[in-house]
Amino acid sequence: GQNIDQPTEMTATEGAIVQINCTYQTSGFNGLFWYQQHAGEAPTFLSYNVLDGLEEKGRFSSFLSRSKGYSYLLLKELQMKDSASYLCAVRDRDYKLSFGAGTTVTVRA
Amino acid sequence: ETGVTQTPRHLFMGMTNKKSLKCEQHLGHNAMYWYKQSAKKPLELMFVYNFKEQTENNSVPSRFSPECPNSSHLFLHLHTLQPEDSALYLCASSQEGGTGAEKLFFGSGTQLSVL
Repeated sequence: GQNIDQPTEMTATEGAIVQINCTYQTSGFNGLFWYQQHAGEAPTFLSYNVLDGLEEKGRFSSFLSRSKGYSYLLLKELQMKDSASYLCAVRDRDYKLSFGAGTTVTVRA
Repeated sequence: ETGVTQTPRHLFMGMTNKKSLKCEQHLGHNAMYWYKQSAKKPLELMFVYNFKEQTENNSVPSRFSPECPNSSHLFLHLHTLQPEDSALYLCASSQEGGTGAEKLFFGSGTQLSVL
């Protein structure tokens, strides 16, 4: 099966930067997604990477290294509303999507 | 508001009950999904429908029965569930085009508790 690992929890201070790592071992690769899920709410799409490099979108950036099976989501200028669970998901060569267990980020004042 | 609506938000049921979860998407997408989300575990894909046809059933027990009457509506019929089936059940939709870049739009889920 597919294996996607990310840390369970992270805590950071308002205004700081947090980097959430995701490593994967899949049968082929057809893209990596990051989703944000606030408690009791729907997961929402944050970013998509299919080529190596950094994709920047406002305060959030996502990086991919296909050779290392590695991605990270970078959250800058943290705000209290960024407290949520962040899900890493990878498409394999058959376009099947597998999710990691999610990283719960807590932002403290 | 993601364009995907799920009802009910919360459901308590006994092991002998029969209930149904409902999902509706207002996005004109051609694919719909049921996922199970348990605490501290990855999202588990249960069923996939493309153009109303079931294309995937990930070894889900027969006590879960999906129905997709049209491309906008998806149901999950539940009967004789077990306590370990207690979880958040998420519906999602996407516009599949075969590129791999298609993102999922999720509903807020039904929190199911089997008593």
